[in-house]
Amino acid sequence: NAGVTQTPKFQVLKTGQSMTLQCAQDMNHEYMSWYRQDPGMGLRLIHYSVGAGITDQGEVPNGYNVSRSTTEDFPLRLLSAAPSQTSVYFCASSSGLAGPYYEQYFGPGTRLTVT
Amino acid sequence: GQQVMQIPQYQHVQEGEDFTTYCNSSTTLSNIQWYKQRPGGHPVFLIQLVKSGEVKKQKRLTFQFGEAKKNSSLHITATQTTDVGTYFCAGPYGNQFYFGTGTSLTVIP
Repeated sequence: NAGVTQTPKFQVLKTGQSMTLQCAQDMNHEYMSWYRQDPGMGLRLIHYSVGAGITDQGEVPNGYNVSRSTTEDFPLRLLSAAPSQTSVYFCASSSGLAGPYYEQYFGPGTRLTVT
Repeated sequence: GQQVMQIPQYQHVQEGEDFTTYCNSSTTLSNIQWYKQRPGGHPVFLIQLVKSGEVKKQKRLTFQFGEAKKNSSLHITATQTTDVGTYFCAGPYGNQFYFGTGTSLTVIP
C-alpha cells in the first residue's frame, strides 16, 4: 500500500493563479480531509469528506474548493491564489463511516508559496 | 476558533530529562489522539485514548485522558534525541477533527 499520496511536493504560484493539489489514498478510507499548517497555528482543517459525493467546510475554507467523485481521490483547488495561502498543505484519511474517530493517516505534504 | 489548546508551545530539555505537554478541549471529547511530527515531516499517529481516566504507555511515553474527557497529557521519561519533534493532540468535534497548536520539543544532547 502506498498510503496517502500528495502531488506536487513543492509549488510556487503567482497571486491570482489557480491550481489543484492532488491527494489519493489506497486504503479504502471513507473519511478524508485537508489541513494547512502555519507556524504557531498547528494544523487547521480546510475541508473534509465523509464519503464519495459528500464534502463539507472546516475551520478555514475560504479560497478553497474540494470535490470527492471517488473514494480514493480528494483534490483541493485554490481558486485565485493569495500570499496568505502560503503554507504547508496536508491531506489525511481515516477509516470509519461515523467520522474522524480513528487514526488519521497523513500524506507527505505540499509546500506552497504564493508570491 | 481554536477548540483544542496545548501548552507549552516550546520546550527545551537536556537529554535524559522528562517532558510533559498538556492538552485542553473546550468541550467533552469522545476520544483524543496524539501525533508526532518530525521536522520537515508529516504528523504520525501515536495513540488514541477513549475512556475517562484512561492511561496508556508506550515504552517511555505515558498518555492520560482526563476524568471529564476534556484534557489530556503526554509525558516522556528520560528524553532522547530521537524524541525531537512537535507533539499534537487532536480530537473530533462532530465530523470535524481539530488539532492543538502543538508542543515543539528540542532535546539538547
